Amino acid sequence: DAGVIQSPRHEVTEMGQEVTLRCKPISGHNSLFWYRQTMMRGLELLIYFNNNVPIDDSGMPEDRFSAKMPNASFSTLKIQPSEPRDSAVYFCASSIGQLYGYTFGSGTRLTVV
Amino acid sequence: RKEVEQDPGPFNVPEGATVAFNCTYSNSASQSFFWYRQDCRKEPKLLMSVYSSGNEDGRFTAQLNRASQYISLLIRDSKLSDSATYLCVVTGGGNKLTFGTGTQLKVEL
Repeated sequence: DAGVIQSPRHEVTEMGQEVTLRCKPISGHNSLFWYRQTMMRGLELLIYFNNNVPIDDSGMPEDRFSAKMPNASFSTLKIQPSEPRDSAVYFCASSIGQLYGYTFGSGTRLTVV
Repeated sequence: RKEVEQDPGPFNVPEGATVAFNCTYSNSASQSFFWYRQDCRKEPKLLMSVYSSGNEDGRFTAQLNRASQYISLLIRDSKLSDSATYLCVVTGGGNKLTFGTGTQLKVEL
């Protein structure tokens, strides 16, 4: 079991640039979640998908953020244009059902300068 | 009121001590409960589920009080390697899990 795979592990970009984060969930998991973690706000749920369909995107901070899940094995989170306040660790997690909890990827540490 | 509330700590305890963390949640409809552990600069990892009857895994004991909407985690004979942040997690609507902000534990020699 390879676990949830995220890329890149680290990303440093300049303000105004487009950033794309990638996630491969565990095979067979039908739910995928994108979280953002900062010291000030802790873990915040941005969006989640069930069976590749976005269910709740109320946590997406603004229109600069978008997420897609074109198939069961791949999802992206895009920020365009990026701003310094977007600097955080972005985690992807997958699950086969809430009774079993989530498995997190190693995260992408994003720094926008 | 936050959906999940935890004392942020830090709890500084000597090796071998027993330490307890508490957590309260606001959604009385929550059905599943968990404790996660997060090491510095790492992802959260599932430590244990919390069942109504209480459950134990080695040195770790978790308990749930539905009437008071309260969850606890007890760590006995704490080790240096137990130093981490412990996140209380409850289910929300749909398939969502809601995470507390975590309680930091530092176990010292």
